[in-house]
Amino acid sequence: EVQLLESGGGMVQPGGSLTLSCAASGFTFSTSAMSWVRQAPGKGLEWVSSICDSGGCIYYADSVKGRFTSSRDNSQNTLYLQMNSLRAEDTAVYYCAKISRDSFSDYWGQGTLVTVSS
Amino acid sequence: QPVLTQSSSASASLRSSVKLTCTLSNGHSSYIIAWHQQQPGKAPRYLMKVEGSGRYNKGSGAPDRFSGSSSGADRYLTISNVQSEDEADYYCETWDSNNRVFGGGTKLTVL
Repeated sequence: EVQLLESGGGMVQPGGSLTLSCAASGFTFSTSAMSWVRQAPGKGLEWVSSICDSGGCIYYADSVKGRFTSSRDNSQNTLYLQMNSLRAEDTAVYYCAKISRDSFSDYWGQGTLVTVSS
Repeated sequence: QPVLTQSSSASASLRSSVKLTCTLSNGHSSYIIAWHQQQPGKAPRYLMKVEGSGRYNKGSGAPDRFSGSSSGADRYLTISNVQSEDEADYYCETWDSNNRVFGGGTKLTVL
């Protein structure tokens, strides 16, 4: 059974930093691309970042480019999202998602809430 | 990059059928999309992918009542015999080489 378990969310002040983790199990993590998707309170889904299986290719939404960094540790089956210079508009539930071989998101984690507030 | 357009809301009576639409932007009418369901307070769940040909492939968790189809730039999700648990937000997703895009979502209310 595929499982994705995010952690690391919490409350942080504007300008602060936070690192999210996504622990994966039930599939071959090292051969799967992954992504981060967020959802602001009462809003829709917004893609944040994608990373290919090797970690050698990483893409970001314009809204987070230069502030967020995705990475992965294939030996630990874990995906990371380092978030710097956080803003109030980054407040959201952050989901990690597995990307299928056909490039769509086929499994989602349960999400972790990040709140940016003074 | 592609843009996906969805109606913000839809409604359906219990045990009726409803068809939700996701429209691809100009120049992207051949793109494959995926449908996801998000029940209240829960994480999204993958339902199916729909190709421009109308072919669709469901995920293991999608009920038999769910089906997909396509016409031009429109991709559809049809729910037959609507049940109360189908009340949810439905999102379509597509992608290109460097980006991933979601539609704004359709909130389905079951009457």
